[in-house]
Amino acid sequence: AQSVTQPDIHITVSEGASLELRCNYSYGATPYLFWYVQSPGQGLQLLLKYFSGDTLVQGIKGFEAEFKRSQSSFNLRKPSVHWSDAAEYFCAALTGTASKLTFGTGTRLQVTL
Amino acid sequence: EPEVTQTPSHQVTQMGQEVILRCVPISNHLYFYWYRQILGQKVEFLVSFYNNEISEKSEIFDDQFSVERPDGSNFTLKIRSTKLEDSAMYFCASSVLGNGYTFGSGTRLTVV
Repeated sequence: AQSVTQPDIHITVSEGASLELRCNYSYGATPYLFWYVQSPGQGLQLLLKYFSGDTLVQGIKGFEAEFKRSQSSFNLRKPSVHWSDAAEYFCAALTGTASKLTFGTGTRLQVTL
Repeated sequence: EPEVTQTPSHQVTQMGQEVILRCVPISNHLYFYWYRQILGQKVEFLVSFYNNEISEKSEIFDDQFSVERPDGSNFTLKIRSTKLEDSAMYFCASSVLGNGYTFGSGTRLTVV
């Protein structure tokens, strides 16, 4: 079955430290891949997306993600985390033939000062 | 930047009552969706809508749920007889080609 896995439920990093959030997908073909961020009580904001081409994708707020076909991964990174980055991060995927997004379970990021 | 607008932001209803959640998708988008997120859980697909009909629905989207695009701008989700387990954040989304989603800020539904 098609699925998206985020192995880390909760991550804590210090402000200024680097961040990597993991995402793995299980699809027959390479899906379109997305990262969303959700602040408490808020909606889902798109950080970045990968459809094809360059495997390193730049997004908003200084985030980037790298698609690795060999590892079925699409990990989100940020070189220096800010306290305002504390939120829930969701990886999501869909295939070209499907219209629905499949979300991972999310990773809650806590930033310590 | 164009937005998907959802109203109300929070709705409290009694069990067994009907609720209608409203959404105004981005004007040139053709695909419309409802997702929900039960507190502390992941976001789940409910239904997709294209060309004035449902294109796909999940197991969650049973006979108690319906969607409608009553005019050229609104997209609604109706729950006929709410249950406690319907309490969740409901997100509307729209896209142009089915793969560039924009989500609304959500409606928090509380069933008491």
